[in-house]
Amino acid sequence: AQSVTQLDSHVSVSEGTPVLLRCNYSSSYSPSLFWYVQHPNKGLQLLLKYTSAATLVKGINGFEAEFKKSETSFHLTKPSAHMSDAAEYFCVVSRYNAGNMLTFGGGTRLMVKP
Amino acid sequence: DTGVSQDPRHKITKRGQNVTFRCDPISEHNRLYWYRQTLGQGPEFLTYFQNEAQLEKSRLLSDRFSAERPKGSFSTLEIQRTEQGDSAMYLCASSRTQSGAGELFFGEGSRLTVL
Repeated sequence: AQSVTQLDSHVSVSEGTPVLLRCNYSSSYSPSLFWYVQHPNKGLQLLLKYTSAATLVKGINGFEAEFKKSETSFHLTKPSAHMSDAAEYFCVVSRYNAGNMLTFGGGTRLMVKP
Repeated sequence: DTGVSQDPRHKITKRGQNVTFRCDPISEHNRLYWYRQTLGQGPEFLTYFQNEAQLEKSRLLSDRFSAERPKGSFSTLEIQRTEQGDSAMYLCASSRTQSGAGELFFGEGSRLTVL
């Protein structure tokens, strides 16, 4: 069994300040972990993925995430928020090499203030 | 890539009616997935095809739901005797068999409202 908990349903930051979106996971297997982003009226887009290689993963648009097995966490960060980052972000877990079964977290809505 | 396309984008129906959604995946992708997303929640897996074979079905997929992918290209998701609880966004995604786990390409979804 696997599950994902996103610790904040809403996060608000000012433009130019750091972003931290928190995610904890539970998995009976070696997990693959992902962050997806959903802009209004757009399809979900893959931001980055962890699949048992380097624990610090870099994604698109300056985002990165660190896999911490001891803390069962996969937090998403960005040094400096941009207005265009405002969106819904989903932390996702799947069993390693079982890409068909994705389990999504509840989502975190990121708001960026000018 | 022309992307994953879904039709219709919005559907309003009365309780008890049947509805059908269509998904056209990225042309060279042989895996196709359906997910459901209710307001304020993350998407939930419904079912998955590899080519024309339906390989997995979630227990969320009651007997009122049926999905097909007859020629291994486009897929349809039909909901019979709709209920208000079926109101949700229905998402389709596709991927190549050999792509990394989780690298799904999603369409923009079909929003269903059951009155």
